Amino acid sequence: GQQVMQIPQYQHVQEGEDFTTYCNSSTTLSNIQWYKQRPGGHPVFLIQLVKSGEVKKQKRLTFQFGEAKKNSSLHITATQTTDVGTYFCAGPQWDRGSTLGRLYFGRGTQLTVWP
Amino acid sequence: GAGVSQSPRYKVAKRGQDVALRCDPISGHVSLFWYQQALGQGPEFLTYFQNEAQLDKSGLPSDRFFAERPEGSVSTLKIQRTQQEDSAVYLCASSEHRAQYSNQPQHFGDGTRLSIL
Repeated sequence: GQQVMQIPQYQHVQEGEDFTTYCNSSTTLSNIQWYKQRPGGHPVFLIQLVKSGEVKKQKRLTFQFGEAKKNSSLHITATQTTDVGTYFCAGPQWDRGSTLGRLYFGRGTQLTVWP
Repeated sequence: GAGVSQSPRYKVAKRGQDVALRCDPISGHVSLFWYQQALGQGPEFLTYFQNEAQLDKSGLPSDRFFAERPEGSVSTLKIQRTQQEDSAVYLCASSEHRAQYSNQPQHFGDGTRLSIL
């Protein structure tokens, strides 16, 4: 079945260092979404990528969608303590030209930032 | 309401008891999802509603799990004869339009943390 794999599982960085998490799908994705979950909180939508090779930026966050639409990455420049949390990628199930609604989430990358 | 509301926030039950978890989505949102999140894992899909219609229940782990959304707004996830492996956070999410044929952001509630003793 469809799987979304995410690495690394954990990342510890010093404040000011960069951070990257990678997401890979076993199948081609129509689009990919990224969510952030703070400790004790709920997932919050960050962005959606749709086009092959797409790059989107949100301040210090850069999101990329691979040319084959099977992988994606999230890069944070100069991390801050407010970036702490778990970052998830999620891809839709796609069957015969339509998305069936459900999202497959990766396991997430838990980011810790030391001040 | 301003966001997705779930109740209760915490539920402790003895093994074998039935539990009911409630989700109040963002007003007017057509799509509603239930997820199960184990510690250290990503949310795992349980079921999807488009208005009152349950279009996908393929993620429900057993026939002890049942979900409904009778009037197309509030939804209830019921677990019968709870087992210890049911302990998890149950998240509800809603999105504005039909999820089929397009994908949109999902807005999550704070979840219900279920502990089965």
